[in-house]
Amino acid sequence: GAGVSQSPRYKVAKRGQDVALRCDPISGHVSLFWYQQALGQGPEFLTYFQNEAQLDKSGLPSDRFFAERPEGSVSTLKIQRTQQEDSAVYLCASSLRSWGELAGGTGELFFGEGSRLTVL
Amino acid sequence: SQQGEEDPQALSIQEGENATMNCSYKTSINNLQWYRQNSGRGLVHLILIRSNEREKHSGRLRVTLDTSKKSSSLLITASRAADTASYFCATDPGGYNKLIFGAGTRLAVHP
Repeated sequence: GAGVSQSPRYKVAKRGQDVALRCDPISGHVSLFWYQQALGQGPEFLTYFQNEAQLDKSGLPSDRFFAERPEGSVSTLKIQRTQQEDSAVYLCASSLRSWGELAGGTGELFFGEGSRLTVL
Repeated sequence: SQQGEEDPQALSIQEGENATMNCSYKTSINNLQWYRQNSGRGLVHLILIRSNEREKHSGRLRVTLDTSKKSSSLLITASRAADTASYFCATDPGGYNKLIFGAGTRLAVHP
């Protein structure tokens, strides 16, 4: 597609429910990032994929958070047993270059419009 | 945790005026990037400045970087109402695009 597409744009979940957020990166983009943005704050890194490999998941806040990108294109961020503190906008970003090629800061990230999760 | 801080947190100006936003950070960096976010939308990359650069221009944008002070500034000249948005600086310590964002400056440009 022309840009990074995320769905759903808005999700309301009851505390304890599981949610799945989808990201369609720009076709051919090797790198995919997930960020979490709390209200009034800047995004915070969650995890990084290079193709289907999850190379960095150091930002995932707990083991309730799980991300996958099985075929190296579409990615899903899953949150199990949601809590109120999980309420945030979840942003996906992709980049044409791989992590190794990104060394030296050669590429920009293209962000989707985010999925806003509200946990009641 | 977030790397740095933007200053001011909010800025309100009239069309035609210049807007200056500052960013401070804590660790050494490979590069620093500025992003813009309209309300309820995703982030849009504006400009990247490498650690060995001191100033960079792109259209009405001017970015400076002072690595000795661990600070950067974004200047938007001749602002327009359409520039109303939040502006974030993001540091890239390792050069792998694992960005660390500040909390942003909310800019309002009034017609």
